[in-house]
Amino acid sequence: SQTIHQWPATLVQPVGSPLSLECTVEGTSNPNLYWYRQAAGRGLQLLFYSVGIGQISSEVPQNLSASRPQDRQFILSSKKLLLSDSGFYLCAWSVIGYGYTFGSGTRLTVV
Amino acid sequence: EDQVTQSPEALRLQEGESSSLNCSYTVSGLRGLFWYRQDPGKGPEFLFTLYSAGEEKEKERLKATLTKKESFLHITAPKPEDSATYLCAVQPYQAGTALIFGKGTTLSVSS
Repeated sequence: SQTIHQWPATLVQPVGSPLSLECTVEGTSNPNLYWYRQAAGRGLQLLFYSVGIGQISSEVPQNLSASRPQDRQFILSSKKLLLSDSGFYLCAWSVIGYGYTFGSGTRLTVV
Repeated sequence: EDQVTQSPEALRLQEGESSSLNCSYTVSGLRGLFWYRQDPGKGPEFLFTLYSAGEEKEKERLKATLTKKESFLHITAPKPEDSATYLCAVQPYQAGTALIFGKGTTLSVSS
C-alpha cells in the first residue's frame, strides 16, 4: 500500500537559520508531489509541485525552494527563514486514478 | 481565476442535529471536487471525490453532492467524533495542476 512520510513533526527555528523538510513516498512510482502551507485563517496554499525528478513548479514567489532528487523524495528548503515562514507544512502525492494523499505535516515556528 | 469558497466558517451542532456545509467554486473546467476531513495538528484525510454534476457519495453519516457551481456535505445525526475541519478542494481540468482549497468549515458537535 502507498504511504507518505514527512518529518520532522515540529520544528522551532530562529530567524535567519536554514530549513530542510523532507517527504518520501512508498508503494508507488512517478507520483506527482506537492508542498502546501497552511496558515491560520488562510487555508491550504500550494507552494510547489513536481511531476518528475528535477521538475519543480513554483506557485508563489517567496523565501522557499523545493527539490526532487529522487522519484519519491521531495524536499522543501530555505537559506534564511523569516518570521512569516511560520506555519503548518504539508506534503502530498497523487497518481492518476487515485486521490491526493497528505502527510502528517510539520509545524514550523520561526522565532 | 479559479476559486473555492466554503461556508459557514464555523458551525456548532448538538449531537443528532443534522446540517449541511457548502462549497461554492469557480473553475475553468472541473476535473474533480474533493472533500477532506482535518483534525487539529494533523494532515487532511480524504473523504470523497466527485466528478460530475448530480453525483452523490456517502460514507457513514456523511453525504456529498455536486452541482455545476457548488457542492454540499450533508451530515446526518452527527456525533461528537465528527468534530473537525472539513476542507473542500477543486482540481482544474489541466494536466499537472494541484488542488485548490477553500478555507474550510470547522464543525463542533456537542453531546
